[in-house]
Amino acid sequence: GQSLEQPSEVTAVEGAIVQINCTYQTSGFYGLSWYQQHDGGAPTFLSYNGLDGLEETGRFSSFLSRSDSYGYLLLQELQMKDSASYFCAVRDSNYQLIWGAGTKLIIKP
Amino acid sequence: EAGVTQFPSHSVIEKGQTVTLRCDPISGHDNLYWYRRVMGKEIKFLLHFVKESKQDESGMPNNRFLAERTGGTYSTLKVQPAELEDSGVYFCASSQERGAPRGAFFGQGTRLTVV
Repeated sequence: GQSLEQPSEVTAVEGAIVQINCTYQTSGFYGLSWYQQHDGGAPTFLSYNGLDGLEETGRFSSFLSRSDSYGYLLLQELQMKDSASYFCAVRDSNYQLIWGAGTKLIIKP
Repeated sequence: EAGVTQFPSHSVIEKGQTVTLRCDPISGHDNLYWYRRVMGKEIKFLLHFVKESKQDESGMPNNRFLAERTGGTYSTLKVQPAELEDSGVYFCASSQERGAPRGAFFGQGTRLTVV
């Protein structure tokens, strides 16, 4: 079957750096995406990795290693507003997004 | 530019009743997706429209769920009759590219509670 694994919850301190990992097992791989969702809100696209390596967008970076079926989202200079759930999603051979269960990021002052 | 809009935002219905969810995608987006998230679990794909055609409906749980996209514009997802396990948040998303590799735009979701 197809599955994505990510931690259910991560706690960090304001101003710190946190990494959220994602490992995947899918039928085909056409890129790893990350989405942010605040409580009651819509998932919002954060980043996409189609090739191995690091993609940086401001305080957020995302990394992919296709040989390891692994990626991570790195959030730097954490702010309280970054408290949210973060989802990794893989585009499979049917062009559909297969989702992880989400990681709840809790930020403490 | 308006984003993806969904209606209603919340719906509470009794088991056995019918509910219809509506999604208005971003204008010009041919690809429209329905997803569902049951509490605490992963977001699950339901189906994918390309314009008015169902490209992939492999994620539809059973024949109590019926999705339509008349004229390739807005889409509706009907649940009839609703069961308790249908409770969850139903998200709609749209994209220009098939599979939305660089990000689909999501609506706020419809929180469905079946009691």
